[in-house]
Amino acid sequence: DAGVIQSPRHEVTEMGQEVTLRCKPISGHDYLFWYRQTMMRGLELLIYFNNNVPIDDSGMPEDRFSAKMPNASFSTLKIQPSEPRDSAVYFCASSLKGINSPLHFGNGTRLTVT
Amino acid sequence: GQQVMQIPQYQHVQEGEDFTTYCNSSTTLSNIQWYKQRPGGHPVFLIQLVKSGEVKKQKRLTFQFGEAKKNSSLHITATQTTDVGTYFCAGPNNQGGKLIFGQGTELSVKP
Repeated sequence: DAGVIQSPRHEVTEMGQEVTLRCKPISGHDYLFWYRQTMMRGLELLIYFNNNVPIDDSGMPEDRFSAKMPNASFSTLKIQPSEPRDSAVYFCASSLKGINSPLHFGNGTRLTVT
Repeated sequence: GQQVMQIPQYQHVQEGEDFTTYCNSSTTLSNIQWYKQRPGGHPVFLIQLVKSGEVKKQKRLTFQFGEAKKNSSLHITATQTTDVGTYFCAGPNNQGGKLIFGQGTELSVKP
């Protein structure tokens, strides 16, 4: 099993640009989570999906953030327009049975907005 | 809101010394999970505890879940340089849909 695959690994962009982060969960996992990690705020849950349906997006910081899961094997997190304070590591994770089973994290995307 | 707190934030030890990190929740948890994140890496699942008072061991690592299911600890015996990283505990929120992570304890081991 290849695990959770995220792309790109690193993204450097200028303020105001659109950023799209991508995630391929582990096949057969019904839950997908997007987390953001910063030194100040630690690991924050942004949104999670169950069977491709967004269940809770209360962690999405602003309307500039949006996430989609068009099918069971692909999800995107989009920031438009990006701002310097969005700089962080964004992790995608998937699990078999939600939060009562282990979360498998991808390698993350390190986003830098200048 | 619901919080999961970990102490200490940092721990520096000499190789061979023991290490313990503590996790406390503001509410009763149905289960608690522990993850390890190596520098520059991603969180990796270590273990899940479900029962009140449960104790589980993985080689030199011992995990405990408190009787009231509001606290947990991870103890490493005779640390090695491979133990370096940040250890996170995480528990479900009250509604059961989200996993709330503690701030983590960063462990450094001096050879």
